[in-house]
Amino acid sequence: EPEVTQTPSHQVTQMGQEVILRCVPISNHLYFYWYRQILGQKVEFLVSFYNNEISEKSEIFDDQFSVERPDGSNFTLKIRSTKLEDSAMYFCASGAGRGGFGQETQYFGPGTRLLVL
Amino acid sequence: SQELEQSPQSLIVQEGKNLTINCTSSKTLYGLYWYKQKYGEGLIFLMMLQKGGEEKSHEKITAKLDEKKQQSSLHITASQPSHAGIYLCGAPHTGTASKLTFGTGTRLQVTL
Repeated sequence: EPEVTQTPSHQVTQMGQEVILRCVPISNHLYFYWYRQILGQKVEFLVSFYNNEISEKSEIFDDQFSVERPDGSNFTLKIRSTKLEDSAMYFCASGAGRGGFGQETQYFGPGTRLLVL
Repeated sequence: SQELEQSPQSLIVQEGKNLTINCTSSKTLYGLYWYKQKYGEGLIFLMMLQKGGEEKSHEKITAKLDEKKQQSSLHITASQPSHAGIYLCGAPHTGTASKLTFGTGTRLQVTL
């Protein structure tokens, strides 16, 4: 069964460093998302991406963050100059498209746990 | 903004017992998704409900969306240790594919 994959599973970085989190969405999906979950808190939406551009972003997704789909398979989240409060689990998700509700389920990857020291 | 509240926050049940988790929205829902998360892992899609009064079942899990589309319940029959985890409800913000807002989560433990 197709699934969303993410690498790395864990990332430890020093404050101020840049990190790139990678995702391979399900191959025929058109919509891509990043969410994050700070330990003990809700899963929060960061950004959605369609047709090689950002569809929507939350107020969390400021200039420190960027997303890219550099080739036909990978979807990346870059965090520049990481802060302590960026420590969280980051989830990638993908969806088939904006058809009827039966086609809109978002499938999540296993997550990347980011720890900023 | 849309808020989803789940109850209870945590639940400990004995294996074989039934249980229900609730998800209540502050606004009318366009749809409602149920996911399961094992601690520290990703979200596994369980079911999606769209219409008021809709009910879906998969194995021993049944999810319902009320007629007013503001509340959903997830019912597990004859719970097993494999049901343990965190159950999350999520709702899209518009009638089409869009960002999901998630509930607070319900942590389920199943004891032997």
